[in-house]
Amino acid sequence: EAQVTQNPRYLITVTGKKLTVTCSQNMNHEYMSWYRQDPGLGLRQIYYSMNVEVTDKGDVPEGYKVSRKEKRNFPLILESPSPNQTSLYFCASSARQGMVNEKLFFGSGTQLSVL
Amino acid sequence: AQKVTQAQTEISVVEKEDVTLDCVYETRDTTYYLFWYKQPPSGELVFLIRRNSFDEQNEISGRYSWNFQKSTSSFNFTITASQVVDSAVYFCALSGSPPGFNKFYFGSGTKLNVKP
Repeated sequence: EAQVTQNPRYLITVTGKKLTVTCSQNMNHEYMSWYRQDPGLGLRQIYYSMNVEVTDKGDVPEGYKVSRKEKRNFPLILESPSPNQTSLYFCASSARQGMVNEKLFFGSGTQLSVL
Repeated sequence: AQKVTQAQTEISVVEKEDVTLDCVYETRDTTYYLFWYKQPPSGELVFLIRRNSFDEQNEISGRYSWNFQKSTSSFNFTITASQVVDSAVYFCALSGSPPGFNKFYFGSGTKLNVKP
């Protein structure tokens, strides 16, 4: 089954404790990206990756890191989480038509609470 | 700047009513893509439609239809004869042409409540 898998589904942590949210896709997609969803703000793009070892900032990259060492995986790293990073996070991937992305396939989401 | 506005925060209708969700976008790109996604109470994001800026034909899929008007920068979504299962948050999104095609911009969402 084609899917984007995120883990964990729920995460509670404390300020400053490094954490990683994993994301993996089995569709051989080149493009992957991370979003955070906050009430009243919709989804905002954190980082994206066009291919292995190629990443770039979205609209809200501060406080986050990513890496793309393999095509299928795109982990999101919070090196020193703060309470304002409490949010619902989504990973997504997309096939490409030339230079253009097709539709985004989303993971199930990770609800992060930073105390 | 790229921006998507969904001015309707929440809409409530009674089952079988028709309902239109508004989406207005801003972009300087001549080529761009518009999307609608559905987020039911279970939380996942479900793709509904992708439309490119050169295709202004309206689209119908069952009870769903989309009206794309470049002149007003709008991409509205209509559900005909709404059902309780349509209750969800609906997001409109925009993706631009190169080099901006890797960025996606989402509206704040419209929560649709369909009551039996």
